Amino acid sequence: EAGVTQSPTHLIKTRGQQVTLRCSPISGHTSVYWYQQALGLGLQFLLWYDEGEERNRGNFPPRFSGRQFPNYSSELNVNALELEDSALYLCASSLDGSSYNEQFFGPGTRLTVL
Amino acid sequence: AQRVTQPEKLLSVFKGAPVELKCNYSYSGSPELFWYVQYSRQRLQLLLRHISRESIKGFTADLNKGETSFHLKKPFAQEEDSAMYYCALTLAAGGTSYGKLTFGQGTILTVHP
Repeated sequence: EAGVTQSPTHLIKTRGQQVTLRCSPISGHTSVYWYQQALGLGLQFLLWYDEGEERNRGNFPPRFSGRQFPNYSSELNVNALELEDSALYLCASSLDGSSYNEQFFGPGTRLTVL
Repeated sequence: AQRVTQPEKLLSVFKGAPVELKCNYSYSGSPELFWYVQYSRQRLQLLLRHISRESIKGFTADLNKGETSFHLKKPFAQEEDSAMYYCALTLAAGGTSYGKLTFGQGTILTVHP
């Protein structure tokens, strides 16, 4: 069974640009989560989507947004990129939004902002 | 707000020695606690969770609500245990999950031959 997939693997952007990251969950999973892993800051929760709706949001500015499509795949959009947005962005999926369900992580997208 | 603290960034032990990775959390309610592991060049994966009360790869973790701790232990470390270990918690209240995992900063475990 294929795991969570993310694209692209790496991305280089300049300040002020916009970026879109993509995530495909494990088949049958309806919940998708986004995390940011910036150097020195650890894994920080960004967004949670379930059944096409945004269910929870971490402490990030509004220029971080996303959506979940009917096939449960998801996009993370970051507008007006800043240097400190450079990080590994991890996507995870779970069977549904229950706290008991394991979150399965993808390999991540490495974003570098110059 | 909830917080997870892993006091050791680095932990080195020799093969066959006991190992304990510390995790403390701050939250007044009843969180769900997890240990995630990331081996070299692999993705982050669940190692164990407190509600399962199981031993995975020889590791166990006991939730101590009095001390708000969830330390990970293994009596005899193996070289293949070398990895980054993250303690994490998630919350649920009234049957509603908040979805997100709050992670500690992680501990790099190195098991020497």
